[in-house]
Amino acid sequence: KQEVTQIPAALSVPEGENLVLNCSFTDSAIYNLQWFRQDPGKGLTSLLLIQSSQREQTSGRLNASLDKSSGRSTLYIAASQPGDSATYLCAGRKTSYDKVIFGPGTSLSVIP
Amino acid sequence: SAVISQKPSRDICQRGTSLTIQCQVDSQVTMMFWYRQQPGQSLTLIATANQGSEATYESGFVIDKFPISRPNLTFSTLTVSNMSPEDSSIYLCSVDGVNTEAFFGQGTRLTVV
Repeated sequence: KQEVTQIPAALSVPEGENLVLNCSFTDSAIYNLQWFRQDPGKGLTSLLLIQSSQREQTSGRLNASLDKSSGRSTLYIAASQPGDSATYLCAGRKTSYDKVIFGPGTSLSVIP
Repeated sequence: SAVISQKPSRDICQRGTSLTIQCQVDSQVTMMFWYRQQPGQSLTLIATANQGSEATYESGFVIDKFPISRPNLTFSTLTVSNMSPEDSSIYLCSVDGVNTEAFFGQGTRLTVV
């Protein structure tokens, strides 16, 4: 059974810092992994999708990596801004028709 | 990408009543997914809805409590029945886009009093 964990649970950084959010999954047989952003009381916004054949994906100041052998993914945020404050969730699925398994999330606060 | 509209965005309901949440997608999709996010928790899949067949429920969720309709390939509803304060959560609709990228609606924030 696939389980997804995220470290840290919460993070507070000053504006401008680079930061890394970590995601671990127990089953290396992963089809894809996705990072989401969730603002309080709102839905999820897809940030990056990494297929199992890929090592990383980049979008603007965001870079996500995937290491299947170690069961880890990281989300790197460069030059953080107060607008980046949100909860970041990683989620993976085992096959294309399996359900998505979510991690508990990392709550990020960027202090001006 | 898929654009998903959910209604209502939030509601406050009396215990014992029911609420129906609507989910509209801007393109035809085979499967639609309903999730629950309890306060301070991550997302849990309630059920998968396929057009023309009964929804498939995850362990811990039953049709009598969460009936789902899927009348066509762009629309689905989730009803939360006989509500109690423990049902207070965010309910989210999701679909898969290209490359099985998951997309979500803005969620329905339900408070049961």
